[in-house]
Amino acid sequence: GENVEQHPSTLSVQEGDSAVIKCTYSDSASNYFPWYKQELGKRPQLIIDIRSNVGEKKDQRIAVTLNKTAKHFSLHITETQPEDSAVYFCAAPLIGFKIIFGKGTRLHILP
Amino acid sequence: NAGVTQTPKFRVLKTGQSMTLLCAQDMNHEYMYWYRQDPGMGLRLIHYSVGEGTTAKGEVPDGYNVSRLKKQNFLLGLESAAPSQTSVYFCASREAGVEYNEQFFGPGTRLTVL
Repeated sequence: GENVEQHPSTLSVQEGDSAVIKCTYSDSASNYFPWYKQELGKRPQLIIDIRSNVGEKKDQRIAVTLNKTAKHFSLHITETQPEDSAVYFCAAPLIGFKIIFGKGTRLHILP
Repeated sequence: NAGVTQTPKFRVLKTGQSMTLLCAQDMNHEYMYWYRQDPGMGLRLIHYSVGEGTTAKGEVPDGYNVSRLKKQNFLLGLESAAPSQTSVYFCASREAGVEYNEQFFGPGTRLTVL
């Protein structure tokens, strides 16, 4: 069936290093790929998104890359800081207005 | 603007009891969604609505019903609660449009079924 797979499920990086989270999707018609951040006990919030007509988008320390041929997209966080510790979700839309989320990546920033 | 709000924030039910979760948004969004979040399972879509008076099933609709009588409100009902429905429930909304756009989430409702 249609789904979004996200890896890894847990990621630990030293403060100041980079973190990369990857997602693959199955619906070739998907054309919008958001990333959400969820801090402990809080609601998910959009941090960056990309549409299928571009291959990369940056916003300060975060970036998203998209490979439509391979049907995967990645979140890159550089110069990680303690406040980056959270759960990150990727998502992709399906025909019929549905948006399906990956299972999440718990990112730990180590001091 | 309050954005997306959810009522109640917490609830404990006994098996077999019923309840309704209320989601309200003041952004005039057409589309509204109900998700459940369980450890290691991410956000799974229960039901969604693309406009007042319309509803559709998501990934995990069994055991739940929804109604969208007013554009700003989306209700999620549990007719006979089961322990498997213990979860955190998030409502979300977004604008209509040809292109997809940001979903805004509510603060969540933590439901425990004993």
